Amino acid sequence: AQKITQTQPGMFVQEKEAVTLDCTYDTSDQSYGLFWYKQPSSGEMIFLIYQGSYDEQNATEGRYSLNFQKARKSANLVISASQLGDSAMYFCAMREMTGGGADGLTFGKGTHLIIQP
Amino acid sequence: ETGVTQTPRHLVMGMTNKKSLKCEQHLGHNAMYWYKQSAKKPLELMFVYNFKEQTENNSVPSRFSPECPNSSHLFLHLHTLQPEDSALYLCASSQETSINEQFFGPGTRLTVL
Repeated sequence: AQKITQTQPGMFVQEKEAVTLDCTYDTSDQSYGLFWYKQPSSGEMIFLIYQGSYDEQNATEGRYSLNFQKARKSANLVISASQLGDSAMYFCAMREMTGGGADGLTFGKGTHLIIQP
Repeated sequence: ETGVTQTPRHLVMGMTNKKSLKCEQHLGHNAMYWYKQSAKKPLELMFVYNFKEQTENNSVPSRFSPECPNSSHLFLHLHTLQPEDSALYLCASSQETSINEQFFGPGTRLTVL
């Protein structure tokens, strides 16, 4: 079973509009972290935002916010006032923390976001 | 500039060749990772090193051999690869904290002929 599900393979959005990228996750752990990364065509993965499972407030970083709905196991990324430079692949990822220490991330398949002028 | 560099950026090799991918982090982190990104598949974790010790091998075939001589350097030695091993290989590093945000390098685009 997939641990991270991103249901939108691709999205087209008009410049300056807000966009929501969906992410649902599956874990039985109580302690976990959720991440969003951006991958431009150059290939580098750029960290955008983090949400801990015990965080009561939704995370925000500039134009990025994470709509965390724990009961629904949902961690959608919201980008406000989209820009042409936001065109990229976006990946949702999770780290389950029961193991402690350094652990790898589990990624979703990604959403290809294209911002149109 | 994320502070994680990878060389080479592109590599083409035959199935009988031996090559190595190099990753270096300048962030003072103590954990390093190799991920594989194939077309139309999610990123797959391959190896994790924490304080130079391998802590995870995600069922990776033995034709991939990692090496971590110190906390700043990570290598992936390749030998007798298959065409299906063609992918983008990404290195990442992190501090061993509860947040564990991982910083990625630009990747090595590997093509196996």
